[in-house]
Amino acid sequence: KNQVEQSPQSLIILEGKNCTLQCNYTVSPFSNLRWYKQDTGRGPVSLTIMTFSENTKSNGRYTATLDADTKQSSLHITASQLSDSASYICVVSARNSGYALNFGKGTSLLVTP
Amino acid sequence: DAGITQSPRHKVTETGTPVTLRCHQTENHRYMYWYRQDPGHGLRLIHYSYGVKDTDKGEVSDGYSVSRSKTEDFLLTLESATSSQTSVYFCAISAVDTIYFGEGSWLTVV
Repeated sequence: KNQVEQSPQSLIILEGKNCTLQCNYTVSPFSNLRWYKQDTGRGPVSLTIMTFSENTKSNGRYTATLDADTKQSSLHITASQLSDSASYICVVSARNSGYALNFGKGTSLLVTP
Repeated sequence: DAGITQSPRHKVTETGTPVTLRCHQTENHRYMYWYRQDPGHGLRLIHYSYGVKDTDKGEVSDGYSVSRSKTEDFLLTLESATSSQTSVYFCAISAVDTIYFGEGSWLTVV
């Protein structure tokens, strides 16, 4: 069964600090992996998308890494800001799966002053 | 923002009543989806559509039906709402590079 596991479930950090969120998956055959940010009361918004051949992708202070061999991805947030407080969701697609997306349950990040 | 509009954004309804949520897109994308999001479960697929009048079930389709008579509109109907269908419902569309989500419809069944 295709699964996506995220850790930690929740995280509290001080403003200005860095943090790393983890995503492990068993989805096969792998097609791509996306990270989404979801603010409270809003819909998820795409941060990055990576295919099999991509190891790293950045979007401003957000950097995602992918190790397709170990089926792990991480999202690193640099110099956190209060506006980074949100839920971060890892989504993995399988090749030839058409519509099917496999969602993690998300990591809830709180950045405090 | 990929031109996705969900309506209504908030609704309270009584058990046993039918409810229809609407998803409207302005970008003419072929694939449209309805998800529900609940604490501890993440996003789960209810139904999806791959074209006008072409729809199929997702993993949590019981108690829901959908219709797509025009490319731009995808309707989700709760035929007889139950308290277990209290949730946040998200519409999504599949574009070339990513999946775009709407802002959500908060449904409370009392």
